[in-house]
Amino acid sequence: GAGVSQSPSNKVTEKGKDVELRCDPISGHTALYWYRQRLGQGLEFLIYFQGNSAPDKSGLPSDRFSAERTGESVSTLTIQRTQQEDSAVYLCASSLWTGGYGYTFGSGTRLTVV
Amino acid sequence: AQSVAQPEDQVNVAEGNPLTVKCTYSVSGNPYLFWYVQYPNRGLQFLLKYITGDNLVKGSYGFEAEFNKSQTSFHLKKPSALVSDSALYFCAVFGAGNMLTFGGGTRLMVKP
Repeated sequence: GAGVSQSPSNKVTEKGKDVELRCDPISGHTALYWYRQRLGQGLEFLIYFQGNSAPDKSGLPSDRFSAERTGESVSTLTIQRTQQEDSAVYLCASSLWTGGYGYTFGSGTRLTVV
Repeated sequence: AQSVAQPEDQVNVAEGNPLTVKCTYSVSGNPYLFWYVQYPNRGLQFLLKYITGDNLVKGSYGFEAEFNKSQTSFHLKKPSALVSDSALYFCAVFGAGNMLTFGGGTRLMVKP
């Protein structure tokens, strides 16, 4: 597509429920990144996919967080047993094979855990 | 490991005045440097980047940034601020791990 598409744009969920967030990167972008941004704060790296290589999961805050990507296409970020501290905007970005070209960001998914 | 520092959490400037948002970096090798802007309830948008060449880089919306190797800085500038420039600005450097490392962000407030 023309840009990075994220869905849903907003998600309200009850504490303890599981949620899935979706990211559809720009076609041809082999690298895909997930970040978390708490209100008015900076970017917290979560996970990085590069083609068919094993993902860099070093930023995932707990084992409740997981992400998948099939090849160079859509990625899903799953948060199990959501907690109130998971409330944030989850941003996805994609880039050509190296981040040195810069990232293109999606508009994010605003997750609210009540 | 690479790092980026944005020493000011917030910058206040009057409309029409010049603005500067500061960024310093640390990275091995030649730096690839970026500025992004985030408007409320939006994702980050690319403003400009430095890869090589002229130390003064021009970008979107009239912004420019000056690369200074000796001071390891990449400050964002604009000659005349607009109220619509009010947003959150992020500096980033490309380095190890094939990823960008972002600064903590600087909130720019332009007052009429």
